[in-house]
Amino acid sequence: GDSVTQMEGPVTLSEEAFLTINCTYTATGYPSLFWYVQYPGEGLQLLLKATKADDKGSNKGFEATYRKETTSFHLEKGSVQVSDSAVYFCALRPSSNTGKLIFGQGTTLQVKP
Amino acid sequence: DGGITQSPKYLFRKEGQNVTLSCEQNLNHDAMYWYRQDPGQGLRLIYYSQIVNDFQKGDIAEGYSVSREKKESFPLTVTSAQKNPTAFYLCASSIDGNNNEKLFFGSGTQLSVL
Repeated sequence: GDSVTQMEGPVTLSEEAFLTINCTYTATGYPSLFWYVQYPGEGLQLLLKATKADDKGSNKGFEATYRKETTSFHLEKGSVQVSDSAVYFCALRPSSNTGKLIFGQGTTLQVKP
Repeated sequence: DGGITQSPKYLFRKEGQNVTLSCEQNLNHDAMYWYRQDPGQGLRLIYYSQIVNDFQKGDIAEGYSVSREKKESFPLTVTSAQKNPTAFYLCASSIDGNNNEKLFFGSGTQLSVL
């Protein structure tokens, strides 16, 4: 079945460092791909999305490119801030559009001053 | 303010007891979802509802039940049949079941077993 795999955390970075969180997926057809962020004690918020191959989603300095050839959707940010500390979830919506999202296991990011 | 409200924030369950988690939304969304979050396992779908008076099982529905009698409400009951209920439960909604990529989440309920 369809699935999402993220790099294990926690990821600890210093402020202004470059961030990459890897995400790969297994799915038939052409799923839509998403990154959600969860701040401490809160629910998830949509960070960015891409709905077809080679699309780049971007928001708040974060970017991710839908790579069909490598089945990947890695999250990047050029300069992280302490306020970016959160749990990041990669997710996909199957092309069959069954009405649900499939989430990865989440990656915790901790940014130190 | 529009949004999703989950209550209570913390809930404790005794052995053999059923407990109900509340989820209310005032976004006028048709679709609602319940996810379970366990450390290191991400989110797993329990139940979802694309319209009032209709709902479908997700990947881990055993030991849970839901109802959708009103558009704005989607309560989740954790029954005594759920042997490992300790988890963080997240409710979400979307405009409709077909445009489900943007989910709006509540702030969650932490359920623990006494």
